[in-house]
Amino acid sequence: AQSVTQLGSHVSVSEGALVLLRCNYSSSVPPYLFWYVQYPNQGLQLLLKYTSAATLVKGINGFEAEFKKSETSFHLTKPSAHMSDAAEYFCAVSVKPAGRRALTFGSGTRLQVQP
Amino acid sequence: DAGVIQSPRHEVTEMGQEVTLRCKPISGHNSLFWYRQTMMRGLELLIYFNNNVPIDDSGMPEDRFSAKMPNASFSTLKIQPSEPRDSAVYFCASSSPRGSTEAFFGQGTRLTVV
Repeated sequence: AQSVTQLGSHVSVSEGALVLLRCNYSSSVPPYLFWYVQYPNQGLQLLLKYTSAATLVKGINGFEAEFKKSETSFHLTKPSAHMSDAAEYFCAVSVKPAGRRALTFGSGTRLQVQP
Repeated sequence: DAGVIQSPRHEVTEMGQEVTLRCKPISGHNSLFWYRQTMMRGLELLIYFNNNVPIDDSGMPEDRFSAKMPNASFSTLKIQPSEPRDSAVYFCASSSPRGSTEAFFGQGTRLTVV
């Protein structure tokens, strides 16, 4: 079975500062990894995904994440935070044994951006 | 494509009443998921369909919950009878048979049981 751990339920940064949201995964087979963002009263929107191609993945809104197998990590970063980045961020993992495609989500990290 | 469409967006009902949540997946997607989001438990997978067939319903809380997918373009999640602890946001998501397993989410149904 696969699982995801997100370290830090709340992260606060200043506008223009580096954003780093941490995600560690556990999977017995090579995983697919995802970051989703959720704005208030909205559904989840895909930011980026890792599917065993390049280990550094670039997503929307200037976010990127690096897959590190040795550390079982998939941390999300953005060089310069913007006020509009304030939201909740979810890391998710899936594997692809026959038939199973469901994502397992972490507990989420709420990002606050201070002016 | 309009994306995953859920209805209603908000539902307030009294304890003991039947509640039906509806979902239209993205056309061409063959996997459909129902998730529940609460402050205490986060995002939980309730049930997952592949080609209209339930593959994994181990997340369904109890017999009061049931889900159906009569065709590729429609699914329902029913709670009967509803209880206050069922109050949550229920998301439907779908994914394509091709490529990676990313899921596309609807806007959710916020259910309040009083």
